[in-house]
Amino acid sequence: QSVLTQPPSASGTPGQRVTISCSGSSSNIGSNTVNWYQQLPGTAPKLLIYTNNQRPSGVPDRFSGSKSGTSASLAISGLQSEDEADYYCAAWHDSLSGWVFGGGTKLTVL
Amino acid sequence: EVQLVESGGGLVQPGGSLRLSCAASGFTFNTYSMNWVRQTPKKGLEWVSFIDSISSTIYYADSVKGRFTISRDNAKSSLYLQMNSLRAEDTAVYYCARQTGYYRIGYFQHWGPGTLVTVSS
Repeated sequence: QSVLTQPPSASGTPGQRVTISCSGSSSNIGSNTVNWYQQLPGTAPKLLIYTNNQRPSGVPDRFSGSKSGTSASLAISGLQSEDEADYYCAAWHDSLSGWVFGGGTKLTVL
Repeated sequence: EVQLVESGGGLVQPGGSLRLSCAASGFTFNTYSMNWVRQTPKKGLEWVSFIDSISSTIYYADSVKGRFTISRDNAKSSLYLQMNSLRAEDTAVYYCARQTGYYRIGYFQHWGPGTLVTVSS
């Protein structure tokens, strides 16, 4: 069981907007920034969103992140077939002195 | 171009040892903190260990504390993970990841392709 809670699956049709939630606590999301990683099938994870809502260069602006209190969300607008992947949230956990991840959300583009 | 390449994975018996390496290139290795992260189909991504740029601060996940040792050689631009007393539940793909930013506000900007560790008799 992961420290951060994500829905195991999400889906949408091309062009739709989908959101993926990530719930934590005051020891992690509540006091630190949140990062999101995208993992395409058979590849290593890739940084998608950092510091709650910042996109690395090369990441389309269809991807956006937000944080409120002890929860965070990843939104994907204009869904495309290549967005089909696993998505993980992560944050530093103060009392564990380490990084914690969500269990991952498998996004299916119908 | 930033490159991270892990090596040293393989099949090992329970109770055995293995040393993973991560060769870094394309950036000034001695100015970045590094991490090991592992992944299993059942548990997803699990952070394993953190080491800062000068090896002065090291953290471990509770699941590996006392069994794994992280280290780095800045002269060789290399990161290591010595894994002892291995258990079946350590079976995973192990990634090295370069961290940008101070730990609580940092993020894993670059990842290696991973190396598979299988613990089985």
